[in-house]
Parts: sequence; structure tokens; C-alpha cells
Amino acid sequence: SQQGEEDPQALSIQEGENATMNCSYKTSINNLQWYRQNSGRGLVHLILIRSNEREKHSGRLRVTLDTSKKSSSLLITASRAADTASYFCALLKAGSYQLTFGKGTKLSVIP
Amino acid sequence: DAGVIQSPRHEVTEMGQEVTLRCKPISGHNSLFWYRQTMMRGLELLIYFNNNVPIDDSGMPEDRFSAKMPNASFSTLKIQPSEPRDSAVYFCASSSSGQGTDTQYFGPGTRLTVL
Repeated sequence: SQQGEEDPQALSIQEGENATMNCSYKTSINNLQWYRQNSGRGLVHLILIRSNEREKHSGRLRVTLDTSKKSSSLLITASRAADTASYFCALLKAGSYQLTFGKGTKLSVIP
Repeated sequence: DAGVIQSPRHEVTEMGQEVTLRCKPISGHNSLFWYRQTMMRGLELLIYFNNNVPIDDSGMPEDRFSAKMPNASFSTLKIQPSEPRDSAVYFCASSSSGQGTDTQYFGPGTRLTVL
């Protein structure tokens, strides 16, 4: 598959807990990006990690990338109800301009 | 900045009718993308413009779909004739270079329902 595959498809946690979502892929990539989509809205860019990077942080978000395993994870710490959304990983293949999106993980944070 | 603007936000039409979706990218961005999102297929790239020129339209489903970008601040996606299977949410996104290393900024989408 040329797109990333998120795991799990759905995740339900209590407010304050950490949420971890994974993305696996099969091609060589230039970078991997994570986006969030609230219900009925467009996608919002969260974070980009390049193929030569292993970890990036942005606020409560932590993204890791393991190119040897062709996998990435998105960790949201101290989750809030407002984090309820679908989260997508998007791959930029090496030598390409085109982002390919996975089908997303639907996160529900229960207050 | 107002972000990417799409219109209409919702469109309900009958099979066979022409549908035109509109997009205004962020000022200064030179790349524009049209995507379609469905439950079954997820988010699919339909067409990519760079500097108003269509670079890749391999994602356009069939000849019923056409897209134009007459200037840097406006693009349309047209479906003629529309069919029920075209029902989906259509997103427009723009970026400053289109090389994929830049963030893509998405509009709110147009929810199309073809009866």
C-alpha cells in the first residue's frame, strides 16, 4: 500500500490519559505528517517529521519515526475532550510532491 | 488570513445535474490541491495545480470531472453530469510550494449529496 495505515481505527480514552496512534507504511518516504480532522471540518496540520529525524515535539504532541520499521507514532499527552477528532498520517514519498493519507484513527476523549 | 475558502459548504443536487465547487486558496500560495473524502476510500487526491497549471490529474475519476484554475486566487471543480456515487466531501488545500515539504492548508470542505 502506498498510503499509511493507522492503528487503531478507533480509540476511546478518559480525559487526562495519554493517547497513542500508530502509522505503518511500505514505501520510502521524504517526510511523514500528522493531521487532525474535527467532525465536519477540514484537516489541520499538526506536525511534520522528516525521514532523517527520529522524534519531534509540539506542545502535548510527540511524534516518533522509525524508518527501519517503516512506522510512526503520535502521542497526545494529558488528553482533553477537545482532542476528540480523527487523526491522519500522510506520507510524502521520496521524489514525489504528493501526500497520501491513511484512513485515520478516530479518537474519543471522554470528559 | 482567512484561510482556504470553499463554497458552497453544502450542495444537494439531483443526478444528471451539473455541480460546480469553488475554492480560493491562501494568498501567496502557488499550489492547490483538490481532494475527495468518503468513508470507503478515505481521502483521495483528485488534481494538483502548481502556478495555476494542472500538474497531475491522474486522480480525477473520469471525464465527468474537470478542474480549472484561471488565476492564482480561484479554482473550480466541476462535475457534469453528477451521479449518486459522487456524493462525498470535497476539500481544497493550498501550500506555498507544493513540494510536499510544506504544510497543506485545508478548506472546510463542500459536502456534496447527489440524489
